Amino acid sequence: DTGVSQDPRHKITKRGQNVTFRCDPISEHNRLYWYRQTLGQGPEFLTYFQNEAQLEKSRLLSDRFSAERPKGSFSTLEIQRTEQGDSAMYLCASRTPGGTEAFFGQGTRLTVV
Amino acid sequence: AQSVTQLGSHVSVSEGALVLLRCNYSSSVPPYLFWYVQYPNQGLQLLLKYTTGATLVKGINGFEAEFKKSETSFHLTKPSAHMSDAAEYFCAVTNNTNAGKSTFGDGTTLTVKP
Repeated sequence: DTGVSQDPRHKITKRGQNVTFRCDPISEHNRLYWYRQTLGQGPEFLTYFQNEAQLEKSRLLSDRFSAERPKGSFSTLEIQRTEQGDSAMYLCASRTPGGTEAFFGQGTRLTVV
Repeated sequence: AQSVTQLGSHVSVSEGALVLLRCNYSSSVPPYLFWYVQYPNQGLQLLLKYTTGATLVKGINGFEAEFKKSETSFHLTKPSAHMSDAAEYFCAVTNNTNAGKSTFGDGTTLTVKP
């Protein structure tokens, strides 16, 4: 068990470009969550999956954001037409349905210039 | 609905002194409560959690926290601070009816002075 893995760890992009992040959860964790953390604040919930089904999306997830988990294993988060306000740490977490805690990855730090 | 308030965005203690980080929560159902630590440009590491049962919970690195329902609090303590404890600490609440989504406080930055 290598924990939750996120790739890349850091991404610098120009405003208007598209970016995609990947999260590999702990194997057999069927729930997967995405959070966004801006400087000086705690993580904020974006969306979550149970297996391949995306069951909830926060109002923070604008139309430029899309998340997938095609086979119920890894997940991707894509941001289209990035804006400077998208600069943040994007955290992925996973847990089992009966578990009480989520296990977090190391995050992807996005900087939009 | 659930929310978390961490009192004090910055706490500074001397090495060897007591650490006390405050957390108050609100939840419409019995909460699960967590403390996480985050080092710069890293993810969140779980320090300890309360779900049910004993209200005083012990975690890693000598930290502990007490769930006080009447005060809606879950303060984090450590008897003696180490330099390595300097980090950002987050309190979080979830419950067994919201699919495990956590709501986090804004964090407390702990500084440990030599």
